[in-house]
Amino acid sequence: DTGVSQDPRHKITKRGQNVTFRCDPISEHNRLYWYRQTLGQGPEFLTYFQNEAQLEKSRLLSDRFSAERPKGSFSTLEIQRTEQGDSAMYLCASSLGQIYNEQFFGPGTRLTVL
Amino acid sequence: QKEVEQNSGPLSVPEGAIASLNCTYSDRVSQSFFWYRQYSGKSPELIMSIYSNGDKEDGRFTAQLNKASQYVSLLIRDSQPSDSATYLCAVNVAGNNRKLIWGLGTSLAVNP
Repeated sequence: DTGVSQDPRHKITKRGQNVTFRCDPISEHNRLYWYRQTLGQGPEFLTYFQNEAQLEKSRLLSDRFSAERPKGSFSTLEIQRTEQGDSAMYLCASSLGQIYNEQFFGPGTRLTVL
Repeated sequence: QKEVEQNSGPLSVPEGAIASLNCTYSDRVSQSFFWYRQYSGKSPELIMSIYSNGDKEDGRFTAQLNKASQYVSLLIRDSQPSDSATYLCAVNVAGNNRKLIWGLGTSLAVNP
């Protein structure tokens, strides 16, 4: 399978715990995006990497959220001290970085904070 | 505020009919436009990209772009029950081809 993969697919945690998600992009893609989506909404941009550099982070993103992309390959998204409002689908997408920038999504990680 | 607007639906069409989905955007200099299909509980799947005015056809799908009217549409011919999903319109941010602005999606139901 050469598509974007994400792990885990589902995560249930208690409020206050830390969680970490992983994304493996399509191998030749140098751009990687994290989004969050709740029911009835479009994807909400969280952050973006070009290779290993984090070039943009949403101003709406709490300091509890951090992302890394070491060596420009896979990426991790960590949420510290989770809150019930963090419950959502966390989506990763990657692109080749060409001018029109088609983004391809992984299957997502469904987070439930109890 | 850059915006992408879609009718939320639900849009209901009989099997075999043409489904027409519409999207308007506010940023006049946007360059690229995308339609994604999203089944309930799944992630978005890219089904069409369009960059120039006019029509682009791919199988049963046709995307139409009119930059003067800031309007992009998706036609689905010979609709099938398996086309029942939410269709999301996404537009790149002008001068910044890294980020997409998303509509809320249109729910389509194709009735057998």
